[in-house]
Amino acid sequence: GENVEQHPSTLSVQEGDSAVIKCTYSDSASNYFPWYKQELGKGPQLIIDIRSNVGEKKDQRIAVTLNKTAKHFSLHITETQPEDSAVYFCAASISKYIFGTGTRLKVLA
Amino acid sequence: NAGVTQTPKFRVLKTGQSMTLLCAQDMNHEYMYWYRQDPGMGLRLIHYSVGEGTTAKGEVPDGYNVSRLKKQNFLLGLESAAPSQTSVYFCASSYSWGNYGYTFGSGTRLTVV
Repeated sequence: GENVEQHPSTLSVQEGDSAVIKCTYSDSASNYFPWYKQELGKGPQLIIDIRSNVGEKKDQRIAVTLNKTAKHFSLHITETQPEDSAVYFCAASISKYIFGTGTRLKVLA
Repeated sequence: NAGVTQTPKFRVLKTGQSMTLLCAQDMNHEYMYWYRQDPGMGLRLIHYSVGEGTTAKGEVPDGYNVSRLKKQNFLLGLESAAPSQTSVYFCASSYSWGNYGYTFGSGTRLTVV
């Protein structure tokens, strides 16, 4: 069945360093790839998304890249700050979302 | 502020009891979803709705029922709660199907003892 693998499950970085989270999807028909940030005790919040006709998208310190041939996409956070500490989820979608299992990012001050 | 509101935020049930989780959105979204979140398993879709009066099963529908009598509300019911239904439940809504971002509520933490 449809599947999205997300790595790593936990990631610790020093403040100011970059963080990269990677996801691989199984269904080549997937055409929409959102990323969500979930802070403790809150619901997931959309932070960036990319569609299959685009290879890269950037929004300030956050960027997402998509490689359709390899069926993987990645979230890049530059100049990390303590407030970036959260759980991040990727998803791949044709109709319904298929979520990854999440990455807990810790930014160490 | 516009968004998705879930009630209650916390609830403890005894095995066999029933309850209804309420979700309301004020963004005029057609599509609404109920997810459960368990440690290490991410977000799993329970039921969803593509419009007022419609519902459909998701990935893990057993033990749950839903209703969408009004466009802005999506109710999740547990008829006979089991310890396996201890989880955090999230409601979400979206403007479009599949290629649009979801707006999530803040969640309901349910414990079944």
